[in-house]
Amino acid sequence: QKEVEQNSGPLSVPEGAIASLNCTYSDRGSQSFFWYRQYSGKSPELIMFIYSNGDKEDGRFTAQLNKASQYVSLLIRDSQPSDSATYLCAFKAAGNKLTFGGGTRVLVKP
Amino acid sequence: SQTIHQWPATLVQPVGSPLSLECTVEGTSNPNLYWYRQAAGRGLQLLFYSVGIGQISSEVPQNLSASRPQDRQFILSSKKLLLSDSGFYLCAWSAGTGGYEQYFGPGTRLTVT
Repeated sequence: QKEVEQNSGPLSVPEGAIASLNCTYSDRGSQSFFWYRQYSGKSPELIMFIYSNGDKEDGRFTAQLNKASQYVSLLIRDSQPSDSATYLCAFKAAGNKLTFGGGTRVLVKP
Repeated sequence: SQTIHQWPATLVQPVGSPLSLECTVEGTSNPNLYWYRQAAGRGLQLLFYSVGIGQISSEVPQNLSASRPQDRQFILSSKKLLLSDSGFYLCAWSAGTGGYEQYFGPGTRLTVT
């Protein structure tokens, strides 16, 4: 079983709609979770982190964490073509390391 | 504010040649530093991380090595490149204390021919 599971996509979303991305993890001891956005050919960019159960909102992004069910999700409201990218989920592993999922590719169609 | 630099941006090297990639961080002290590789269409693979000068932890045994000669400098090296070393090499930093979020440099795209 992979430590972090993400649907590779592509997730096709109409412009203006909500994109919903999910990530499940296997380490019950994980306390810190991160979402990165990676445009094609570019390096990952941190967009959200969440440490507590519940929702965390930042602009058009909302991260949701459910530790009991071991999943974290990312909602992108009012999706724009500029949101087309691969979104990587990560959690803090042992020490100061992060474990990354393979990413979900999102395509926002005008 | 903190800035992370990597060079070169792109590199084409023949099989068997040496490699040296450099990463430097500005605007922070005592960072944790990381080297990742991302093969085409694949996820991020952690290669090395360092919590201080001269302290290197290797995650994947291979023909690569890393060094940290200064607090904010991280170098990835190889004596002889393999075709399988091709990929996108990313350096990242995180604060030495406190949060665990990592911030990535622009990356080096390496093609071994």
